[in-house]
Amino acid sequence: DAGITQSPRYKITETGRQVTLMCHQTWSHSYMFWYRQDLGHGLRLIYYSAAADITDKGEVPDGYVVSRSKTENFPLTLESATRSQTSVYFCASRGEETQYFGPGTRLLVL
Amino acid sequence: AQSVSQHNHHVILSEAASLELGCNYSYGGTVNLFWYVQYPGQHLQLLLKYFSGDPLVKGIKGFEAEFIKSKFSFNLRKPSVQWSDTAEYFCAVNPDSGGGADGLTFGKGTHLIIQP
Repeated sequence: DAGITQSPRYKITETGRQVTLMCHQTWSHSYMFWYRQDLGHGLRLIYYSAAADITDKGEVPDGYVVSRSKTENFPLTLESATRSQTSVYFCASRGEETQYFGPGTRLLVL
Repeated sequence: AQSVSQHNHHVILSEAASLELGCNYSYGGTVNLFWYVQYPGQHLQLLLKYFSGDPLVKGIKGFEAEFIKSKFSFNLRKPSVQWSDTAEYFCAVNPDSGGGADGLTFGKGTHLIIQP
């Protein structure tokens, strides 16, 4: 089915471990985004990408790394997870000036 | 940088009541405006959007929003809510920069509970 998918949907990890969250879209949208959702903060932009091999920081990029080797994939890596990175992570892609969101990954860092 | 303010963090209504959720933004230029809804355990879905033209926009599920430029507002309305409207509602903006890669700036959300 066409759309945007994220994996895993749920993840528990420990402080200091590296974690990669995957995002895949089938629309061939150029722009993709990563947000985190926290109670009392709404959604905040972590990183975005305008095309393959083009990425840029958003509002809260510290502790995260992204890559975009293919248009359809936009993985987000937590290089050394911290408890403050416990959150729900949403990937989005943009088509016709509207962003479409994936189902989210709920990450717990112990 | 732009910001978005949603006035009510929690709203509790009875079925059939009318709904209005406030949203104000701060940005000096032209913006695109959005309302998203997040049902319990689900991802964000677009309710409606405004880019230009008629300031009263209609979305899915009977929702509408009015853009008032002079007030920097984009309030969401529904004349008669249903129990199934229980959800989190987010207002969001991004600059109308002609196709740039700007992400959305979201408000903190309004948690709406509809009592049967």
